[in-house]
Amino acid sequence: AQSVTQPDIHITVSEGASLELRCNYSYGATPYLFWYVQSPGQGLQLLLKYFSGDTLVQGIKGFEAEFKRSQSSFNLRKPSVHWSDAAEYFCAVGAGYGNKLVFGAGTILRVKS
Amino acid sequence: EAQVTQNPRYLITVTGKKLTVTCSQNMNHEYMSWYRQDPGLGLRQIYYSMNVEVTDKGDVPEGYKVSRKEKRNFPLILESPSPNQTSLYFCASSPTKGHYGYTFGSGTRLTVV
Repeated sequence: AQSVTQPDIHITVSEGASLELRCNYSYGATPYLFWYVQSPGQGLQLLLKYFSGDTLVQGIKGFEAEFKRSQSSFNLRKPSVHWSDAAEYFCAVGAGYGNKLVFGAGTILRVKS
Repeated sequence: EAQVTQNPRYLITVTGKKLTVTCSQNMNHEYMSWYRQDPGLGLRQIYYSMNVEVTDKGDVPEGYKVSRKEKRNFPLILESPSPNQTSLYFCASSPTKGHYGYTFGSGTRLTVV
């Protein structure tokens, strides 16, 4: 069965510091991979997605992610974090029949000034 | 504006009292889905629909029903809610072909007492 692991439940970074959120997936075929962000009290917003091609994907709000097939990973990065990036981040893999997405448990990002 | 609209945003109810959470999308998407979000568990799929009159169970369907009589609407029905259905619920939609990622609603926070 498909699964997604986000090893870090909470991460705290200083404003202006770089960020990397980890995501590992399990899926037998070529994965479709996504990162979503959820601000407090809000729905989920798509940050970026990977289907094929270039393994470094650019998204909104200055985020990028790199697909590494050999490591079954799709880590999210940002060179300089802003206080407004504080939120919960979810990695997801497109799996199975139709358009089903399987989500990781999420990583809560705190930004300290 | 392209969006998925859920109502209500907040709901407190008593055990056993039937309720319906509505979901409507204006993007002419074929695929619609309901997820519940619980701390530490991420988002888990309850039901999904590939098109009008086509619905199927997700990973946690027990205690829920859905219907898809029109393309734009996909209500979630709890016929006899129980406290373990206290959760944050999200409706999502997407085109059927390919994995474009979901557009999510703003969520419904349900408390069953």
